[in-house]
Amino acid sequence: GAGVSQSPRYKVAKRGQDVALRCDPISGHVSLFWYQQALGQGPEFLTYFQNEAQLDKSGLPSDRFFAERPEGSVSTLKIQRTQQEDSAVYLCASSFLARVRNSPLHFGNGTRLTVT
Amino acid sequence: SQELEQSPQSLIVQEGKNLTINCTSSKTLYGLYWYKQKYGEGLIFLMMLQKGGEEKSHEKITAKLDEKKQQSSLHITASQPSHAGIYLCGADGNRDDKIIFGKGTRLHILP
Repeated sequence: GAGVSQSPRYKVAKRGQDVALRCDPISGHVSLFWYQQALGQGPEFLTYFQNEAQLDKSGLPSDRFFAERPEGSVSTLKIQRTQQEDSAVYLCASSFLARVRNSPLHFGNGTRLTVT
Repeated sequence: SQELEQSPQSLIVQEGKNLTINCTSSKTLYGLYWYKQKYGEGLIFLMMLQKGGEEKSHEKITAKLDEKKQQSSLHITASQPSHAGIYLCGADGNRDDKIIFGKGTRLHILP
């Protein structure tokens, strides 16, 4: 596709529900990142894939958060037993090369998650 | 861990005026990135700086990285309504491939 696509655009979940957020990166992009952006804040790093390998998951806030990219393309971020503090915009970004310094990140428009 | 502080947090300027946004790092900057975010949307890449003293321009936006590589500034000349949005600086951690971001500067342009 022309850009990074994220779905759904908006998600409302009741506390305790599980959610799955999808990211379709730009075709051929090697690296894929997930960020969490709370209202009025900058994006916070969650996790990073190079092809299908999850190289860094140091930013995942708890074991309720899980991300996968099984075929090195589409990625899913899953949040189990959602809590109100999980309410945020979840941004996905991809880049063509493995080193971000050699190719910029392209961001999707995000999924706005509201936990009630 | 590296932290990025942006100033000001918010800025309101009259259309046609110049403005500057600053980004200060707690550690040496190896790759410094400027992104723009429109409300409710994703981030759009503006520029990347690597070398001390480097300066890059795109249309009316100029970004500089100071010689000591711990501070960057973004300067907009003759601001227009289309410049309104959130400007974010980001940095990679030299050996890391993840980018960490500052909290952003919210720019409003008055017609």
